[in-house]
Amino acid sequence: QVQLQESGPGLVKPSQTLSLTCAVSGGPVSNGDYYWTWIRQPPGKGLEWIGYIYYTGNTYYNPSLRSRLTISVDTSKNQFSLSLRAVTAADTAIYYCARDRMNWGFDYWGQGSLVTVTS
Amino acid sequence: QSALTQPASVSGSPGQSITISCTGTSSDVGGYKYVSWYQRHPGKAPKLILYEVSNRPSGVSHRFSGSKSGNTASLTISGLQVEDEADYFCCAYTSRSTYVFGTGTEVTVL
Repeated sequence: QVQLQESGPGLVKPSQTLSLTCAVSGGPVSNGDYYWTWIRQPPGKGLEWIGYIYYTGNTYYNPSLRSRLTISVDTSKNQFSLSLRAVTAADTAIYYCARDRMNWGFDYWGQGSLVTVTS
Repeated sequence: QSALTQPASVSGSPGQSITISCTGTSSDVGGYKYVSWYQRHPGKAPKLILYEVSNRPSGVSHRFSGSKSGNTASLTISGLQVEDEADYFCCAYTSRSTYVFGTGTEVTVL
């Protein structure tokens, strides 16, 4: 059974960098059938797709976040990570990692990690 | 990219059928067959219940079905059960090679 688990600081100061890691168990991130994805949900709002990474390191980002975003993968640790720079209160959200079956839906998700941007 | 439009809430009695709509544009819902639906119980990870408009992953109840007409996709839950009480949201692939989610629908079983 594939499991994903987000980890990282729950509080980040404005203008700093938000960093999260998603540990994957039950299957390798190097499986070429999947993209590894980040999705977020700000309080009281809908879900927003952030972007994905393929095990080769190829990425695709939401254009609205592209200038501040880096997603990376570490196949040796079977995990992938999110780095969002210059955060503001608008980046406060529950951040989910998920496995993307390449247009066949996000079939496994983490429980979500609440990140609050506050001074 | 604007969020797909879903009703904020839908309710029904046990055994009834309910339908949740998901309205987008020709650049997302209307343009591709890649519409998926998710169920999320409070504090739990979202669960994929439909992909490619109407396909159910292994293990998902046949009570969940999907369809699409034009720019609107729909999720129907038949034989509503107490455990179906959850949030549901749709997701569509877009012409920008991104994904856009719906606003989410809270389903209440009366």
